[in-house]
Amino acid sequence: EVQLVESGGGLVQPGGSLRLSCAASTFTFSSYWMSWVRQAPGKGLEWVANINEDGSERYYVDSVKGRFTISRDNAKNSLYLQMNSLRAEDTAVYYCARESGYSSTWNYWGQGTLVTVSS
Amino acid sequence: QSALTQPASVSGSPGQSITISCTGTSSDVGSYNLVSWFQQHPGKAPKLMIYEGSKRPPGVSNRFSGSKSGNTASLTISGLQAEDEADYYCCSYAGSSTYVFGTGTKVTVL
Repeated sequence: EVQLVESGGGLVQPGGSLRLSCAASTFTFSSYWMSWVRQAPGKGLEWVANINEDGSERYYVDSVKGRFTISRDNAKNSLYLQMNSLRAEDTAVYYCARESGYSSTWNYWGQGTLVTVSS
Repeated sequence: QSALTQPASVSGSPGQSITISCTGTSSDVGSYNLVSWFQQHPGKAPKLMIYEGSKRPPGVSNRFSGSKSGNTASLTISGLQAEDEADYYCCSYAGSSTYVFGTGTKVTVL
């Protein structure tokens, strides 16, 4: 069964940085687009960023452009999200998600990691 | 990149059918046949229920169906069951490898 396990969440002060990781297993990681999707407490889902199979293409939602960087290490089967200049509104559970491979959607999700931006 | 519009809540009795709408624009829902629907139970990760507007992934009950007309997509749940009580989100491809989610709908089984 496909497994996606996020880590790296925690409490950080406004203006600070945090790096999230997503460890993938039981599938050929290098063959799939990957995404980060977040959900603020009590709020809806928001697509944050995605990256293509070899990392040469990266896309972001406008609200994180210039602050967040998505990356991947196919040798380590890992996805990352470097988050800089964090704001209170970045507080959310961050999910790692794998695109389906047959359509522009996600059929596997991690359990999420909570990022709290507060002083 | 404005969120797609969904009703905040929809309710129905067991066995009934309910429909959740998802309204976007000609830049997202209206331009692509790439609307997905996700079910999310409290404290859990989202689960894919419908993709490409009307297709069901393996293992998803045929009580769930999707459609689209113009800038509005819809999810219908037939034969409503207690386990269907959850939050539901639509999501559309928005061009240039970006996506936009809906505002979410809480489904209550009366």
